[in-house]
Amino acid sequence: AQSVTQLGSHVSVSEGALVLLRCNYSSSVPPYLFWYVQYPNQGLQLLLKYTSAATLVKGINGFEAEFKKSETSFHLTKPSAHMSDAAEYFCAVSDWTGTASKLTFGTGTRLQVTL
Amino acid sequence: DTGVSQDPRHKITKRGQNVTFRCDPISEHNRLYWYRQTLGQGPEFLTYFQNEAQLEKSRLLSDRFSAERPKGSFSTLEIQRTEQGDSAMYLCASSLDRGSFDEQYFGPGTRLTVT
Repeated sequence: AQSVTQLGSHVSVSEGALVLLRCNYSSSVPPYLFWYVQYPNQGLQLLLKYTSAATLVKGINGFEAEFKKSETSFHLTKPSAHMSDAAEYFCAVSDWTGTASKLTFGTGTRLQVTL
Repeated sequence: DTGVSQDPRHKITKRGQNVTFRCDPISEHNRLYWYRQTLGQGPEFLTYFQNEAQLEKSRLLSDRFSAERPKGSFSTLEIQRTEQGDSAMYLCASSLDRGSFDEQYFGPGTRLTVT
């Protein structure tokens, strides 16, 4: 079964600094990968998705992620953090069962942005 | 497109009581998923509907849980004889049928607290 591992449960950056959130996946087939963001007491919002069309994926709010097969990674980056980026971020891999596309999520990384 | 909606947003119940949650997917989406998210964890898959048919159920879904999607529109998730371990955020997601690739849109969730 597919799985993802998010390194670092908490990441703190200064406003304006680079954001780097790490995700490594395990998959026996070419994966579909996703990054979601969750604000307090809210559902998940899709940031971006990898579908094998391009290894560098651009998403909403200035985020992007690069798929690296050799490293089995799909790290999320943003050049300059904003206070509004403070949230929980989840990496997920899609597990196609033949009838359903179940998402398997990592344990999440809480991003803190300081002044 | 009003997004996925869930009702109620919060539910506090006493152990042993039954609770029912509702999810209204995006109108043209024929796939519907339920996930459960406990504190500090990523969401975990519970069950999946394609139209009105329940095609997948996780082993996490004990016999106290039942889900329906009559007429392939809204869905309900019922928990009977609630236990404190059922306290979690219950998330609903919907998507269009595109084969193995699935872009799931999440609702705001229902937070259940069992006292």
